[in-house]
Amino acid sequence: QKEVEQNSGPLSVPEGAIASLNCTYSDRGSQSFFWYRQYSGKSPELIMSIYSNGDKEDGRFTAQLNKASQYVSLLIRDSQPSDSATYLCAVNILRVAYNTDKLIFGTGTRLQVFP
Amino acid sequence: ETGVTQTPRHLVMGMTNKKSLKCEQHLGHNAMYWYKQSAKKPLELMFVYNFKEQTENNSVPSRFSPECPNSSHLFLHLHTLQPEDSALYLCASSQYDGKNEKLFFGSGTQLSVL
Repeated sequence: QKEVEQNSGPLSVPEGAIASLNCTYSDRGSQSFFWYRQYSGKSPELIMSIYSNGDKEDGRFTAQLNKASQYVSLLIRDSQPSDSATYLCAVNILRVAYNTDKLIFGTGTRLQVFP
Repeated sequence: ETGVTQTPRHLVMGMTNKKSLKCEQHLGHNAMYWYKQSAKKPLELMFVYNFKEQTENNSVPSRFSPECPNSSHLFLHLHTLQPEDSALYLCASSQYDGKNEKLFFGSGTQLSVL
C-alpha cells in the first residue's frame, strides 16, 4: 500500500462547480496534512494545511480531515479555469528509525476546469 | 516569489560532466531540502539539512553530492549522471520543529542528461 494515495485524474469540472480532490494515507499516527498546488512547469505551492478532524476553510478552499478513515480532501468552490493545476496531497509520517517526521507526497491529481 | 531561489532554471549535461545546482533561501528557515520530481512519480525526498547538518540521505546514489555551508545556502553537486537522472530538481526550505513541515519550494532546475 502506498503511503499517500491520490487519483491521478484528470478531474474535469465546469467553471463555477465544486471540485473535490481526495487523498488517503496509511499511517494512523499522522498529525499534519497539507495540500500543494502545482501549475504546469512550476514548483509546488502550499495552499492549505490541516491538523484536526473536521473542516478548515480559506476563501474558496476547504480542507476536510477524517483521521478515523484516514482520508483528507480538498474542496474548491466556484472553480475557475485558473484553478487548473495538479494538486499534491502531503502527509507527515512518523519514522521511528529517524525519530522524526517525514513529509510524504502523493502523485497528485490533475484538475481541469473548463469554461 | 517564494523566498527560495534556485539556479540554474534549466541544465543540459553530458554523462561525463560535473555541474552544481544552487539554492538560497531568504526566509530565515532552519531546514533545507532537495527533492526530485519525475513524470508520473511522487516527489522524492533526496536530502535534508537541519541547522546545516545532514539529517537524511534517502539512498541517493553517490553521483549526487549535497553541500550546505550555512542555513541559507544549499548545493547539489552532480557528476557522471545517467539519462534516468533527468528530472525536475526542487529545493525547499522550512522552519522545522520536528512535528510538521510547511515547505516553500524554489522554482526548480529542469535537468536533462544526454
